[in-house]
Amino acid sequence: EAEVAQSPRYKITEKSQAVAFWCDPISGHATLYWYRQILGQGPELLVQFQDESVVDDSQLPKDRFSAERLKGVDSTLKIQPAELGDSAMYLCASSLELRGDIQYFGAGTRLSVL
Amino acid sequence: GIQVEQSPPDLILQEGANSTLRCNFSDSVNNLQWFHQNPWGQLINLFYIPSGTKQNGRLSATTVATERYSLLYISSSQTTDSGVYFCALTGTASKLTFGTGTRLQVTL
Repeated sequence: EAEVAQSPRYKITEKSQAVAFWCDPISGHATLYWYRQILGQGPELLVQFQDESVVDDSQLPKDRFSAERLKGVDSTLKIQPAELGDSAMYLCASSLELRGDIQYFGAGTRLSVL
Repeated sequence: GIQVEQSPPDLILQEGANSTLRCNFSDSVNNLQWFHQNPWGQLINLFYIPSGTKQNGRLSATTVATERYSLLYISSSQTTDSGVYFCALTGTASKLTFGTGTRLQVTL
């Protein structure tokens, strides 16, 4: 069964360092999402792509976070510099279509900022 | 934006018991999904159910869109059912809005 691939699974970094997460969606899925989940809460959307275009990045802290999906396939989420409050699970999801479609999630990257 | 409330927030069951989890939402929906988040953080799709009723083994779900709620039924619970159950949905936007979750613990 096709899956959303994410790496790394775990990342420990010190504050002020740069970190990057990678996501490869299910083949053929045009829509890709990055969510952040703080411990004890539900995931919240950071950024959404349709092919290589950003559809929604209204909740992305753009002073330190960036995301790209250059060829409309895999995607990278970067944080620079990392802050203590960035410790969370970062989840990538993909769907075949933009609206009303099933979203499939990867296993996530658990980030700890020391 | 759309509001999503889940109840109960916490639930402890003995193995073999049945349970019902509820999800209330504030607006019409295009997509409603139920997820199980396991102890390793993986979100596992249980149901895609913007309306109607579906069953998969010991699990079933019903969404009554006109009354703005969805229910997840777990029958004959097992210890492997433990974890957090999330209801998530989209309204006019395509992003999923998650509820606060129900934390389920199944004991022997």
